[in-house]
Order: sequence, then structure tokens, then C-alpha cells
Amino acid sequence: QKEVEQNSGPLSVPEGAIASLNCTYSDRGSQSFFWYRQYSGKSPELIMFIYSNGDKEDGRFTAQLNKASQYVSLLIRDSQPSDSATYLCAVNMNRDDKIIFGKGTRLHILP
Amino acid sequence: EPEVTQTPSHQVTQMGQEVILRCVPISNHLYFYWYRQILGQKVEFLVSFYNNEISEKSEIFDDQFSVERPDGSNFTLKIRSTKLEDSAMYFCASSDIGMMGTEAFFGQGTRLTVV
Repeated sequence: QKEVEQNSGPLSVPEGAIASLNCTYSDRGSQSFFWYRQYSGKSPELIMFIYSNGDKEDGRFTAQLNKASQYVSLLIRDSQPSDSATYLCAVNMNRDDKIIFGKGTRLHILP
Repeated sequence: EPEVTQTPSHQVTQMGQEVILRCVPISNHLYFYWYRQILGQKVEFLVSFYNNEISEKSEIFDDQFSVERPDGSNFTLKIRSTKLEDSAMYFCASSDIGMMGTEAFFGQGTRLTVV
């Protein structure tokens, strides 16, 4: 069974601090890794994707990938109340034409 | 900005009835997907569609489900005989080169309530 695991949270972070979200995946053949943000009752919205080991930065967001450890993370710097949402890790495994989502981590930014 | 459009936003149907959920993918995209999310649970893959045929489907996508691209713009999901457990948010997504290498864009969803 191909799985994507995330801590469900909630993760509470003070405004202005760094929020760190983590994800592990089961399939070593996974190729592509995505972070989506989902507000309550809304659709997933892509924040970042990463394919290669290391860090990828986009504005306040940094995705980190470690394929050897089968681990991907998302850092949000200077957290804002508008960042409060559920963050979904999604993985493309073994070049299948689909992505598998984790259950998501609820992030709450404290004003 | 191009977007995936889904209609209706909310559909209420009686158990055993057929429903058709509609999606208009982004115009230059070639790969289309349906996902669903039962309230409080994770987003689950249903089916992927490319070149007018299903490329992959999950165990959820049984004989009660079908997809169609009836014209050049619409992509539909049909549930033949709805069950209470089909109640969920259904998301359509599209991608230009498939989910192996790039991101997919999701529509705003159709909330299906089976009573």
C-alpha cells in the first residue's frame, strides 16, 4: 500500500515565526512531491513542488526533500494568520499518472 | 488566470439516483482527473483520463462510476446509482503534461450530498 504520512496537528505557531510541516512517503520510486494548501471547504491550491534532493525556495516558502530518508518538508517563514489552513503533502509514486495525498496537517497561526 | 471550473457547486440527490458532475478543464491541458474528499478525510484519487480514455483508476472507481469527455471542453463524472457513502466533495483537476512531472490545478469542487 502506497502511503503518504503527515502529522494531523493542529500545529500552532506564533505570527512571525517559522512553521515546519513534515511528510514521509512509502514508495522509494517516488518522483515528484507537492505541497498544497487547503482552506476549510475549499479545493487544494498548489504552493510548491520539488523533484530533486535539497531545498527549493519560493518567497516565504521552502520545500526540502530527502529521498534517502523518504522525507519532504515545508517551511513557512514569517508566518501570517492567513497561512492558517490544512497543508497537504502529495506524492507522485513510481511515475503513475496520479498523486497520492496525505491526510494533511492543520496549521494555526496565532496572532 | 486560467482555472478549472466545476458545476454545480452543490448537488443534493436521493439514494439510487444518477448524478453527473461537470468540469471544464484549463483549455490547453490534456490530462484530466477526478478526486474526492469525504468530510474530514483525505483527498482520494478516483481516475485519470488522457487521449479520450482512462489511464488509471482506483479501487473506489467501480462500475458505478464513469467518465466522459463529450466535447472539446467538458469532462464529466457520472455516478449511476448513488449511495449514501458517495457523499463527498468531488474535485476535478487538469494538467498539461500529466502528474508525473508537473502540478495539477484543481477546480473549486462539487459537494455531493446523497440523502
